[in-house]
Amino acid sequence: KQEVTQIPAALSVPEGENLVLNCSFTDSAIYNLQWFRQDPGKGLTSLLLIQSSQREQTSGRLNASLDKSSGRSTLYIAASQPGDSATYLCADIKAAGNKLTFGGGTRVLVKP
Amino acid sequence: EAGVAQSPRYKIIEKRQSVAFWCNPISGHATLYWYQQILGQGPKLLIQFQNNGVVDDSQLPKDRFSAERLKGVDSTLKIQPAKLEDSAVYLCASNPLGLTYNEQFFGPGTRLTVL
Repeated sequence: KQEVTQIPAALSVPEGENLVLNCSFTDSAIYNLQWFRQDPGKGLTSLLLIQSSQREQTSGRLNASLDKSSGRSTLYIAASQPGDSATYLCADIKAAGNKLTFGGGTRVLVKP
Repeated sequence: EAGVAQSPRYKIIEKRQSVAFWCNPISGHATLYWYQQILGQGPKLLIQFQNNGVVDDSQLPKDRFSAERLKGVDSTLKIQPAKLEDSAVYLCASNPLGLTYNEQFFGPGTRLTVL
């Protein structure tokens, strides 16, 4: 069974600290891995998509790495801001049908 | 470009009642997904449509849940009768049809509370 795990479930940091969010997946034959942000009462916003042939993707203060051999992906958010407070979800993607399997998410609070 | 629209945004019902949710995907998107997100968990795929055909409904509780996309555009998801454990956010997503992975675009969701 394909499983995606995110630990910790919640994280609180002071403003300015770097954030490190972890995602583990059981199926090394993933097609892609994607990180999303979810604000309360809102849908999901895509942050970064890493294709299986890539090792990392970067966008502004965000950097996501992918290690298929160990079944792990890490999302780094540099110099965190209160506006980064949200739930972050990772999902692995099977090629067939573009199916997403989500982790449980990490709820992040950045304190001013 | 307008995003994925969902209505209602919130719904409160009593157990054993019926409820329906509506989703209008981004114009031109052939594939539509319904997800269930229970509080504290990640979204779980319920059903996937391509145009007006069902691609995957393996995780849809068919004894009480049904969904349709009659004209290949908007879609409705129905629960009849509702149970307490159906309390969740129901998310709709869509993406274009393609040979490689295409990003799914999510709507704001409908929050269902079953009392």
